[in-house]
Amino acid sequence: NAGVMQNPRHLVRRRGQEARLRCSPMKGHSHVYWYRQLPEEGLKFMVYLQKENIIDESGMPKERFSAEFPKEGPSILRIQQVVRGDSAAYFCASSNNKNTEAFFGQGTRLTVV
Amino acid sequence: GESVGLHLPTLSVQEGDNSIINCAYSNSASDYFIWYKQESGKGPQFIIDIRSNMDKRQGQRVTVLLNKTVKHLSLQIAATQPGDSAVYFCAEIGGSNDYKLSFGAGTTVTVRA
Repeated sequence: NAGVMQNPRHLVRRRGQEARLRCSPMKGHSHVYWYRQLPEEGLKFMVYLQKENIIDESGMPKERFSAEFPKEGPSILRIQQVVRGDSAAYFCASSNNKNTEAFFGQGTRLTVV
Repeated sequence: GESVGLHLPTLSVQEGDNSIINCAYSNSASDYFIWYKQESGKGPQFIIDIRSNMDKRQGQRVTVLLNKTVKHLSLQIAATQPGDSAVYFCAEIGGSNDYKLSFGAGTTVTVRA
């Protein structure tokens, strides 16, 4: 039973390019969360999705950031026109219900140059 | 060794000793708590959880204590090993109608050989 899979593990983008981060939840999990972590800091909530629905995106910047979790395929976190301040580790977690243990992937480390 | 939440973000402990990591939470409505361990370059790893109807829960070498009166959570690690060196985060979910895991800043544990 594979855990939460994120890819790519490392992503380098130039300023102004687009970044696409993918997350495949654990088998049987329909709840996906995205978190962002800056060096030496904790994890900050960005968005919570269920299949085909965004439930809570209160932690996500209003511009340039979007997320989806289609009926088929992984969840995607998309960052348009990246800036240096977007450089961080982005973690995805999944659970089989809200208010239960969430398991994290290994993260995608985005570097904007 | 013992740490006190955000005021002492690092903890150095001798191998074989017991470790105590503390966490103060702010939301009195929180009813579900999780401790995560994060090693360098990896995603958070679930250690143990506890619900608000309990005040103690034990796992393998770990014990979580919850004091709702003072909104305090602690993680005790018995016979600390070098592999326990990591950053430890407490996370809370604020009530049954909430689903966002809110993370503290983390405590860095270093095990001395």
